[in-house]
Amino acid sequence: EAGVAQSPRYKIIEKRQSVAFWCNPISGHATLYWYQQILGQGPKLLIQFQNNGVVDDSQLPKDRFSAERLKGVDSTLKIQPAKLEDSAVYLCASSLEDPTDGYTFGSGTRLTVV
Amino acid sequence: KQEVTQIPAALSVPEGENLVLNCSFTDSAIYNLQWFRQDPGKGLTSLLLIQSSQREQTSGRLNASLDKSSGRSTLYIAASQPGDSATYLCAPFSGTYKYIFGTGTRLKVLA
Repeated sequence: EAGVAQSPRYKIIEKRQSVAFWCNPISGHATLYWYQQILGQGPKLLIQFQNNGVVDDSQLPKDRFSAERLKGVDSTLKIQPAKLEDSAVYLCASSLEDPTDGYTFGSGTRLTVV
Repeated sequence: KQEVTQIPAALSVPEGENLVLNCSFTDSAIYNLQWFRQDPGKGLTSLLLIQSSQREQTSGRLNASLDKSSGRSTLYIAASQPGDSATYLCAPFSGTYKYIFGTGTRLKVLA
C-alpha cells in the first residue's frame, strides 16, 4: 500500500510570510495527525482529525496555525505569519479508525524560517 | 499528563556491541507503546509495537520489552551495525488516542 505522502519536502521562507503543507494519508485511514518536531526534540502533536472533524487541537497555536481536512481525506496545515521559532519538521501521520494498531508517518516537511 | 523520558540521550559504540535503550513514562494507563527509528532529515519508521497486554516483541535483532505497571520499556539491539545509527524514539499511546514522544536516543555505531 502507498504510504503517507507529504509535500513539499523542504521550504525556506522569511519571517512573517505564510506557508502551507499538504498531507495525503493512507487510503482508508480515518485518523490524521500533524506533529511538529523541533531540532533535538521529540515530535509534539499539533492537531488530530477523525475523518473531517477535529478531535484534539489543544497544542495548536491558533493565532497563527490553522489546519483543515476537507472531505476527510487529505489535509493542509498553514502558518500565517511565520516566526523564527516555527523552524521545524512537520510530520503527518495516519491510522485506522481504531488507532491501537499504531500509525504510519510521512517523510515530513522541513521548514526553515529566516 | 503523559511525560516520556529516554536514557541515554546519546550513545556511541563500536560495531558488534549489544545495546539497551531505556524509556520511562509517567502515566501507566496506556493502550500500547511503539518504538520508532528516525534517520537525519527523515520521517519516523515504526520498529516495534507492543500492546499493553504483552511483555515483549521481537523483530530480527531488535527486542522491546514493556513493564506497564512501572512505566518502563527497553529496546534491545543485538550485534549492532553501522546501519543502526539513527535516533530511536519511544512513544506510549494513551489518553485521547495519541502518541506522546520522548526526546530520543541518538545512536552512533562505529565501524
